[in-house]
Amino acid sequence: EPEVTQTPSHQVTQMGQEVILRCVPISNHLYFYWYRQILGQKVEFLVSFYNNEISEKSEIFDDQFSVERPDGSNFTLKIRSTKLEDSAMYFCASTTDSGANVLTFGAGSRLTVL
Amino acid sequence: GQNIDQPTEMTATEGAIVQINCTYQTSGFNGLFWYQQHAGEAPTFLSYNVLDGLEEKGRFSSFLSRSKGYSYLLLKELQMKDSASYLCAAGDDYKLSFGAGTTVTVRA
Repeated sequence: EPEVTQTPSHQVTQMGQEVILRCVPISNHLYFYWYRQILGQKVEFLVSFYNNEISEKSEIFDDQFSVERPDGSNFTLKIRSTKLEDSAMYFCASTTDSGANVLTFGAGSRLTVL
Repeated sequence: GQNIDQPTEMTATEGAIVQINCTYQTSGFNGLFWYQQHAGEAPTFLSYNVLDGLEEKGRFSSFLSRSKGYSYLLLKELQMKDSASYLCAAGDDYKLSFGAGTTVTVRA
């Protein structure tokens, strides 16, 4: 069964450092998403992406965050200068269509900021 | 904005039935989704409703009333492996917005 692949599975970084989280969405999917989940809290929407553009972003997705699809397969989330409160599990998701459609999630990248 | 409410915790016995309720207030609503999430893992899709009514999928069923902003997930013949968090999510044109999740504990 096709799956969304995320790397790294776990990253530990120092506050102020840049982090790039990588995702390979399912190959025929066109819509891509990043969500985060702070330990013990709910899954929060960060950003949606289609046709090489951001479709929507949340208040969490401030100037420290950026997304990119550098080639035909990868979808990346960059955090420029990490803060302690960025420690969370980051999930990438993809789907064939926007709106009322099933998102398939990757296994997540756990980010720990010290 | 999105406002999605569901109970925090529920406990049930193996073999029993549990119903998880979800109420939502959203803009641009076009579907209600249920996901299962085991601790430390990604959410996995269970069921969704676009139109009012009941969708049955094996041991899991989901119901939607758009006029009431209400959905429920029904888990039948509970098994120990069903112990997990169940996430209600409302879809709009650009994303799913998740509730805080209901932790279901299945006891022998």
